Parts: sequence; structure tokens; C-alpha cells
Amino acid sequence: EIVLTQSPGTLSLSPGERATLSCRASQSVSSSYLAWYQQKPGQAPRLLISGASSRATGIPDRFSGSGSGTDFTLTISRLEPEDFAVYYCQRYGSSPLFTFGPGTKVEIK
Amino acid sequence: QVQLVESGGGVVQPGRSLRLSCAASGFTFSSYSIHWVRQAPGKGLEWVAVISYDGSNKYYGDSVRGRFTISRDNSKNTVYLQMNSLRAEDTAVYYCAKEDEQWLCFDYWGQGTLVTVSS
Repeated sequence: EIVLTQSPGTLSLSPGERATLSCRASQSVSSSYLAWYQQKPGQAPRLLISGASSRATGIPDRFSGSGSGTDFTLTISRLEPEDFAVYYCQRYGSSPLFTFGPGTKVEIK
Repeated sequence: QVQLVESGGGVVQPGRSLRLSCAASGFTFSSYSIHWVRQAPGKGLEWVAVISYDGSNKYYGDSVRGRFTISRDNSKNTVYLQMNSLRAEDTAVYYCAKEDEQWLCFDYWGQGTLVTVSS
């Protein structure tokens, strides 16, 4: 079973700063099947990045994804007030078919 | 615009059953796989089940396999999740989500429905 680990658990930053979030897989993951989501309190998750690096419809270009194999990164170039949220990575594979990481909370410093 | 609306949540005793519904609109429902994803209070996301566009393929997460059944009615643009033998650990917000078939991720989500399993 492939396990996704996200680090750090919490990231304390100020608006305008750069955020770098990591998602590490216990085994190699196809880049085509690695996605990132944003979730704010009381809301459903929102797709940010699919295929490791493709921004979803309507997602600002301050969000970018990169990586391959077992190491993937979500970068927010300059944090806006609305970006403070929890971020999850997700992969498609086998057993189980779909797995989420535990999440990284980006909080205001 | 794409909309997914869940319903059917509530409080249920351990061992009992509940059926959730997910009503879809704004896209060609019969062409897409639909998933259920849940989130226990204060916890992360857990994938529950998926049904293919025509209902011919269904897959489940380990924690619900044998207890939950996913189905769909393409004439009603609705997906269902029949949950039997409910346990306290099934307490969660249940989201339905549309699959992005190219990237195998979830491009649209409903607002969720809360299921509480408690005596």
C-alpha cells in the first residue's frame, strides 16, 4: 500500500510570503495521477493541481505544482489572505485506488 | 455549472443502515465516474467508493468494503451510497465528487452531508 506523507504538518507564514508544501510517497507515483486540493473550514475541498503540475480551471497562477517519482511539491508564490487553509495531496494507484495525504495547514503567522 | 448535492445524512445507531444520495447537474452525468469521499470530524480525507459511468464497475476502500454499496441511476442523475452495519468510526462528512477521467482526481465536489453514528 502506497502511503502519502505531507510536510510540514503546519506552516506559519505571513501574507506575501512563499509557501512550499511537500508530498512524499512511499513508492513511486505516476506524475499523471498526483493532485493537490485546498480546503477551508466548513467547505468542500477544491481541486488546485492535477497531473502533478497542471492548474485546474480558475486557479490563480501563484499556485504551482512540481515533482515526480516519490517527491512532489505545491508552491504558493505569494500568499494571499484567502490562501490560508489546509492542503491535501492525492494519488491514484492500486490498493487502495485513491489515497490522500494527511494534509498541511497553512496558517497566518 | 456543475453541481453535486448530497442528502440523506443524519444520526443513526451503531449497526443500523443509512442511504446517502448525490444529485448531479450541469454536466453529462452518464459519462462520468462518481466517488464518495469522507472526512471524520477534525480529520483528513478518506476515499470511500467509486462507480463507473455506466455502473458496471464499483470499487471500495478497505474500511467499508462488504458494508457499503455504491449505485447510480442515470435516468435521475443520482448516485447512492447504501451504508449498512454502521460503526462509530463511520461518523464523518460524506462528499460526492466527480472524477476527472484524464487525471483520475476529483474536479468537482458537493457540499457534503454529515453522518453521525451514535447510540
